[in-house]
Amino acid sequence: AQSVTQLGSHVSVSEGALVLLRCNYSSSVPPYLFWYVQYPNQGLQLLLKYTSAATLVKGINGFEAEFKKSETSFHLTKPSAHMSDAAEYFCAVTKSNFGNEKLTFGTGTRLTIIP
Amino acid sequence: EPEVTQTPSHQVTQMGQEVILRCVPISNHLYFYWYRQILGQKVEFLVSFYNNEISEKSEIFDDQFSVERPDGSNFTLKIRSTKLEDSAMYFCASSKPDRVGRDTQYFGPGTRLTVL
Repeated sequence: AQSVTQLGSHVSVSEGALVLLRCNYSSSVPPYLFWYVQYPNQGLQLLLKYTSAATLVKGINGFEAEFKKSETSFHLTKPSAHMSDAAEYFCAVTKSNFGNEKLTFGTGTRLTIIP
Repeated sequence: EPEVTQTPSHQVTQMGQEVILRCVPISNHLYFYWYRQILGQKVEFLVSFYNNEISEKSEIFDDQFSVERPDGSNFTLKIRSTKLEDSAMYFCASSKPDRVGRDTQYFGPGTRLTVL
């Protein structure tokens, strides 16, 4: 079975500060990992994904994440927060990347940006 | 850019009534999914569908639920007799494998189902 744990259900950072959202995974097979963002009253939008091609993954809106097998982590970062980054962020895992595999989501982290 | 669409955006129903939630996946995608998110909780997998068959379903997806692809474009989720606990946001997603199998699931905006 696979799972992800997101530490911190709420994170607040000042505008311009570093954003760090934590995700740890548990998987019996090599995982494929994703970060999705959900803006208020909208669906889930893919930020970035790790599919074993490179451990440092760059996504949209200046976000990136690093896959660390030794730490079973896939933390999401952004060097400088913007007000528009306020949203809920979900880490997700799947066991293969060849289609038709369900995503298992974490509980989400709500990011608040302080002006 | 192609996107997954869902209708209606909000559905209110009485307990025991049947509801059908509709989705139009991205046109060249082959795999289809339903997920749900109860308010304040995480997104949960319900079912995946490929080649006109259910590929996998979760424990949540009991006999009250069914899915169908009635034509070449729509993908529907039916709940036969709704319960209060079915109140949630329901997300449809679709994907296709690219040449190296690195597919991505694209999500629709969701249908908020409220059961009274």
